[in-house]
Amino acid sequence: SQQGEEDPQALSIQEGENATMNCSYKTSINNLQWYRQNSGRGLVHLILIRSNEREKHSGRLRVTLDTSKKSSSLLITASRAADTASYFCATALGLELTLTGGGNKLTFGTGTQLKVEL
Amino acid sequence: EAGVAQSPRYKIIEKRQSVAFWCNPISGHATLYWYQQILGQGPKLLIQFQNNGVVDDSQLPKDRFSAERLKGVDSTLKIQPAKLEDSAVYLCASSPSRDYGYTFGSGTRLTVV
Repeated sequence: SQQGEEDPQALSIQEGENATMNCSYKTSINNLQWYRQNSGRGLVHLILIRSNEREKHSGRLRVTLDTSKKSSSLLITASRAADTASYFCATALGLELTLTGGGNKLTFGTGTQLKVEL
Repeated sequence: EAGVAQSPRYKIIEKRQSVAFWCNPISGHATLYWYQQILGQGPKLLIQFQNNGVVDDSQLPKDRFSAERLKGVDSTLKIQPAKLEDSAVYLCASSPSRDYGYTFGSGTRLTVV
C-alpha cells in the first residue's frame, strides 16, 4: 500500500516562481526522502531528512518535516523549466536489519507532477 | 561512480510468455531493491535483498514472479507467465546502508499484449 500521499497531484507554475509540494504519511518513520522522476526515466534522489530533523536545505530545495502531523513539504525556489518532473516522497519505516546494517525499505507516495512553463 | 545498470530498456511480450530483467547495482552497495511502477502511480516494492539474502518479498506475487541475487552482486527478476496487468516499469535500486538514499537504474518498461 502507498504510505505517502502527495498534494497537489499536479502543479503548474511559471519559471522563477516557487513550487511547494506536500506529503502526508501514516506511521512512524526513520527518515523521509524526496525523489524526482523525469518522464520515462528512473528516480533521482534529492534529499533525505531524518525523523529527528525539522528542516533541511540543498541548493534550491528546502524540505521540512513535522512528525507530530506526519507531514513533510518540499519547496523548490526560483523554479526552472528543467525542474519539470514528477516528485515523490518516500518513507523509511525503520526496518531493523540483523545482518550488516543494510538500507531502508522505502514506501513511495503517489507523486506530484510539476510543470514549469517559460 | 558508475550508476545502477538495467537491461533491457524495453520489452514487449505476449501474455503467458516469460521475461527476465537484469540489474547490476553500484559496486559495494549491499542492499538491492526491485520496484514495480505502474503508469501514474508511485513505485511499489517487490523484493529487497541484503547481500544475497532476501529481506522482504512480502509484495512479490510468488506464483509468477521470482528473483535472485547471485553472489550478492547482480540480480535477475523473472515473470512467468506474464499477465496483462504486469505491464509496468521495473526499477532496480541499490543503497549502501541505512540513512542513505537509493540510486535507481533507468528501469525496464514492460508491455504485455
